[in-house]
Amino acid sequence: SQTIHQWPATLVQPVGSPLSLECTVEGTSNPNLYWYRQAAGRGLQLLFYSVGIGQISSEVPQNLSASRPQDRQFILSSKKLLLSDSGFYLCAWMKESKTQYFGPGTRLLVL
Amino acid sequence: GQNIDQPTEMTATEGAIVQINCTYQTSGFNGLFWYQQHAGEAPTFLSYNVLDGLEEKGRFSSFLSRSKGYSYLLLKELQMKDSASYLCAADSNYQLIWGAGTKLIIKP
Repeated sequence: SQTIHQWPATLVQPVGSPLSLECTVEGTSNPNLYWYRQAAGRGLQLLFYSVGIGQISSEVPQNLSASRPQDRQFILSSKKLLLSDSGFYLCAWMKESKTQYFGPGTRLLVL
Repeated sequence: GQNIDQPTEMTATEGAIVQINCTYQTSGFNGLFWYQQHAGEAPTFLSYNVLDGLEEKGRFSSFLSRSKGYSYLLLKELQMKDSASYLCAADSNYQLIWGAGTKLIIKP
């Protein structure tokens, strides 16, 4: 069966510091991968998606970037965090079924 | 443009039935997802409707009308553990358009 991992679970970072969030998927190959952000009490905002190694599509211009160095690894990064980057970051994977399955999420607080 | 709407919050009583509505306008449409999200957790998949009509899965049912751009999630025999946010998402041209979610509060 497939599983998806995200770490860390929670993170408190000062404004201007760098960020690296990691997501890995097990039990499948060549999945579509997604990064979402969810502000408190709000819906999901798609940040990036990837259909394969090295292929990244950005949905929202911001100070974040994403990379997919391996088939089942998806990384979200920032060189300098802003206060507005606080939120709940969710990674998801999808294959033929079109259903997206989410990881446990990373709660980021930028102070 | 692309738009998806659902009520912000609903309240229901334990043991009762509740219907959560979702309307959508998208440039392309393949189907409609419903997810459940408990506070502080990730969304989990509930249903995916492609064809018009009602699909039942235990206490939960989901309905779709493509001509009206409308869907609803029906929850029967409500339990306290059903207190959560319910997100609808339209499958539109290889991406999902997400609603903001409906927070469902269950009272004893």
